[in-house]
Amino acid sequence: DAGVTQSPTHLIKTRGQQVTLRCSPKSGHDTVSWYQQALGQGPQFIFQYYEEEERQRGNFPDRFSGHQFPNYSSELNVNALLLGDSALYLCASSLVRAGGPNQYEQYFGPGTRLTVT
Amino acid sequence: KQEVTQIPAALSVPEGENLVLNCSFTDSAIYNLQWFRQDPGKGLTSLLLIQSSQREQTSGRLNASLDKSSGRSTLYIAASQPGDSATYLCAASLRGSRLTFGEGTQLTVNP
Repeated sequence: DAGVTQSPTHLIKTRGQQVTLRCSPKSGHDTVSWYQQALGQGPQFIFQYYEEEERQRGNFPDRFSGHQFPNYSSELNVNALLLGDSALYLCASSLVRAGGPNQYEQYFGPGTRLTVT
Repeated sequence: KQEVTQIPAALSVPEGENLVLNCSFTDSAIYNLQWFRQDPGKGLTSLLLIQSSQREQTSGRLNASLDKSSGRSTLYIAASQPGDSATYLCAASLRGSRLTFGEGTQLTVNP
């Protein structure tokens, strides 16, 4: 049973550049959420995708955008990178359409460490 | 707006000690509460999930409780081991699965 996978593992970018991070959900899951975790902080919710649409969004600027594909995998794009975007980016998946008490239980991937210089 | 607070921020204990980590949340209309473990530079591992209708969940040496009325959850770790050293995060979700996290408790268990 494949868990949540993310690529790349690490990434170094320069201010002003653009970056794309990728996530494959746990096998059978249909919903993907993205979180940003700065050093020493708890993760902050960026947005969530279900049925290829953004369903919820946290307090992040429009420079952060995403996409979900028909196979439920997802991308996170960040434009015009700032030094403050340096963080661990976590992807989480869940199975929402099945309903039931655990429909919102989230499983996290290993993360992508983004460093902006 | 849901806010989650974890106390203490850091904890150091000798091996074998029982310990309690605390989590409080401001909006009692939560759908569930999850406890996670995070090793340095790694992703999150789910430890326990408590539904809003439940009072506690147990897994091995871990027991998590939930008191919605007071806005509190605790994670109890019995007979702590050096391998338990990690950061422990609690996260509350309203319906819709968006998680609001605390800042974590960094646990060190000394041999």
